[in-house]
Amino acid sequence: QSVLTQPPSVSAAPGQKVTISCSGSSSNIGNNYVSWYQQLPGAAPKLLIYGNNKRPSGTPDRFSGSKSGTSATLDITGLQTGDEADYYCGTWDYSLSVPWVFGGGTKLTVL
Amino acid sequence: QVQLQESGPGLVKPSETLSLTCTVSGGSITSNSAYWGWIRQSPGKGLDWIGSRFYSGSTYHNPSLKSRVTISVDTSKNQFSLKLLSVTAADTAVYYCARLTFSITNNNRFFDLWGRGTLVSVSS
Repeated sequence: QSVLTQPPSVSAAPGQKVTISCSGSSSNIGNNYVSWYQQLPGAAPKLLIYGNNKRPSGTPDRFSGSKSGTSATLDITGLQTGDEADYYCGTWDYSLSVPWVFGGGTKLTVL
Repeated sequence: QVQLQESGPGLVKPSETLSLTCTVSGGSITSNSAYWGWIRQSPGKGLDWIGSRFYSGSTYHNPSLKSRVTISVDTSKNQFSLKLLSVTAADTAVYYCARLTFSITNNNRFFDLWGRGTLVSVSS
């Protein structure tokens, strides 16, 4: 069971918007920046969002991140079939029981 | 641009030691804003952070693996390595090397660079 909680799956039609949540605690999300990773089928994960809401070069502006309290959210608008992937949130954890934690991952299906 | 490439055996026998190396190309492993480490993914499962190490020594480990894990850095070769002792079938996974970039001025940390991953199977 992951320290960060994500829904196992989400789905939406092409062109629609989807939201993926990531819930944690004060020792992780509440006091640290959150990053998001996209893992396309058969590929390595790739950084999608860092610093809660910053996009590295190469991430389309259809992807946006936000954080409030001990939860973070990844929004994807204008869904495309190529967005079908697993998405993971991640952050540091000051409790140091596990210094770095990932969410369990969310599989996005574009119907 | 900076790239990471894992190398090592794809098959390890139970109770033996898993050894992998990650070669950093296009940049220096002695960066003052990066930790170098390993993440694994068991078949059909999520990401599991193993540990990360600064080039000069500071290291963080996942406590669930800490007693079996050693992460080392060879600055002369611009490489870092993973050793996992006494492996079992549960250690079968794709192993990724990754760079954890951090900000000196705030708490911003993120894995911005990943290798392609290498599948390691534990079987006799």
